[in-house]
Amino acid sequence: DTGVSQNPRHKITKRGQNVTFRCDPISEHNRLYWYRQTLGQGPEFLTYFQNEAQLEKSRLLSDRFSAERPKGSFSTLEIQRTEQGDSAMYLCASSTDTTYEQYFGPGTRLTVT
Amino acid sequence: GNSVTQMEGPVTLSEEAFLTINCTYTATGYPSLFWYVQYPGEGLQLLLKATKADDKGSNKGFEATYRKETTSFHLEKGSVQVSDSAVYFCALSDPMSGGYQKVTFGTGTKLQVIP
Repeated sequence: DTGVSQNPRHKITKRGQNVTFRCDPISEHNRLYWYRQTLGQGPEFLTYFQNEAQLEKSRLLSDRFSAERPKGSFSTLEIQRTEQGDSAMYLCASSTDTTYEQYFGPGTRLTVT
Repeated sequence: GNSVTQMEGPVTLSEEAFLTINCTYTATGYPSLFWYVQYPGEGLQLLLKATKADDKGSNKGFEATYRKETTSFHLEKGSVQVSDSAVYFCALSDPMSGGYQKVTFGTGTKLQVIP
């Protein structure tokens, strides 16, 4: 199966620590998206890449958050100085240029204590 | 801006019952509409889609019709199974909102099917 993969699946960290998540999209997909999902809510868009270019960032993405996709393949999402409010599921999705369908990974569940 | 409103859950049904989950949307352009399903502990899976008015998306016995006049995309299934227990998200993608395919999701409806 060559679906979207995310690592780690779970991360527990203490407030103030930095964390980094990785997403590997479907290999032929040049678009990559990050979403955040809190309990009982739908996913909320965070940011989007077309190849290596980050084309859009949501207002939800504070300056403590940074995302990269250096070679247009995998992407990383880093959260600096984590806060308890950052606790959520972080979802990655990918798509081609020619379809509206986004394929989601299993997510990384972050718990900030 | 774009938004999606779906009925609150949880919805509890007996096996083989008829399912309807209501979804309405607001969009500035001509969006594509989706239903995603999230099983416990898993990521979202695309269940079905419709890209223009009057299109019917269908998959695994689920159906939804894109109704532009009522801005709705209600999910239906004639006979639910225990394995359909999951959270269902209605969503839209509006190419007019920035020229890329950002998906706006509803808050989700939890479905529980009991034997």
